[in-house]
This record gives sequence, C-alpha cells and structure tokens, in this order.
Amino acid sequence: AQSVTQLDSQVPVFEEAPVELRCNYSSSVSVYLFWYVQYPNQGLQLLLKYLSGSTLVKGINGFEAEFNKSQTSFHLRKPSVHISDTAEYFCAVTRAAGNKLTFGGGTRVLVKP
Amino acid sequence: DTGVSQDPRHKITKRGQNVTFRCDPISEHNRLYWYRQTLGQGPEFLTYFQNEAQLEKSRLLSDRFSAERPKGSFSTLEIQRTEQGDSAMYLCASSLEGLEQYFGPGTRLTVT
Repeated sequence: AQSVTQLDSQVPVFEEAPVELRCNYSSSVSVYLFWYVQYPNQGLQLLLKYLSGSTLVKGINGFEAEFNKSQTSFHLRKPSVHISDTAEYFCAVTRAAGNKLTFGGGTRVLVKP
Repeated sequence: DTGVSQDPRHKITKRGQNVTFRCDPISEHNRLYWYRQTLGQGPEFLTYFQNEAQLEKSRLLSDRFSAERPKGSFSTLEIQRTEQGDSAMYLCASSLEGLEQYFGPGTRLTVT
C-alpha cells in the first residue's frame, strides 16, 4: 500500500513571492506522482505529473515539481504566486496506470496582496 | 466542453433516506472512479470501473453503498439509509486507461 503526507496544512504567502508545497510518499513499489489543484466548490484539476525520465517536471500555471527518489519526495514550487493561486493543492500517487489515486491531506495556499 | 459531469451538484437529505448520484464521464473514457472527500481532507478512493466491470472497491465502501455502470458509460452511486457521517463531497473521475484522471465538479451531500 502507498501513502502520501503533505507536511503543511496551510501556507500563507504574499503575492509575487515564491511558494513551496511539500509532499512525501511511502510505497514498496515504484509509483507515479501527481499534483492537483482544487478551487472552492470545484473538482480537481491536474497541475503536473511525474511518470519517468527527468526529475524536474513542469506543469500548468507556472508550477513545477521535483521528484527525489532517495528522499521519497515530490515538492511543488512556483517562483512567483498570484492572488488567483489561492486554492487547495493535493499530492497523489498511484502504482500503475489506470489504478486508483492515493491523496495526501492537502495544503491550503492563501495568497495575500 | 465535454468534461466529466455530475448530477446533482448539491443534495440535502434526512438521515435514513436513500440517495443516488450520477456521473457522466468524458466520452470514450473506459475507466470511471468514485472518490469521497470530507471537509479538510484529501479525496479517498471508493471504487472504480473498467467499462461495466467494477474492478476494485475500497473497504470504506460499506454495504449501504452500491455503484453501477450498466452500459459502460454513465455511473450511479447509491447510498442507502444515509447517516450523518456520509456527509461529504462525492467526486467522480474518468480516464482512458491512462494515468491522467479527469475530475468532475462533485456532488456535495449533506445529511441532516
């Protein structure tokens, strides 16, 4: 079985400042990793995914994440946030194509002007 | 836009009543997933289908919960004898056998 831990439940950040959201996972097998964003009263939207290859993954809206196998981490970063980035962010893993996703508890990002 | 749709978006019901939710996946997506999300938590997997076959069910899915996908297209999730603990957002997602799951807007259930 796999599990995901998002170390910060809330991250306040000023507009145009950088942000990093931490994600650690646990699995006995290789996994695929994802970051999703959820705006209020909406479903989840995929930001980016790591399948294989380069450990630095670029996604939509200026987000990127780095896969670190030795530390079993997949931290999400954005160099300069906007007010519109205020949302909840979820890290997720799956061990095979088409299988269920296992999500972390989420990190709520509040961007302040 | 032909994304994943869910109906209803909101449902308020009294404890003990039965409720049914519908999910319409993206056309031609053969996999369909149900997740439950309670306030302040990440989504938790409930069950998934490949075409009309239900391939996996979570231990979270008590015998009061049943899901169907009769023709391999839309799916329904029924909860019988609802309890206050069933109050949550129910999310549906679909994929084309791939890694990327596309989520619907969810159905928010409130049990009073």
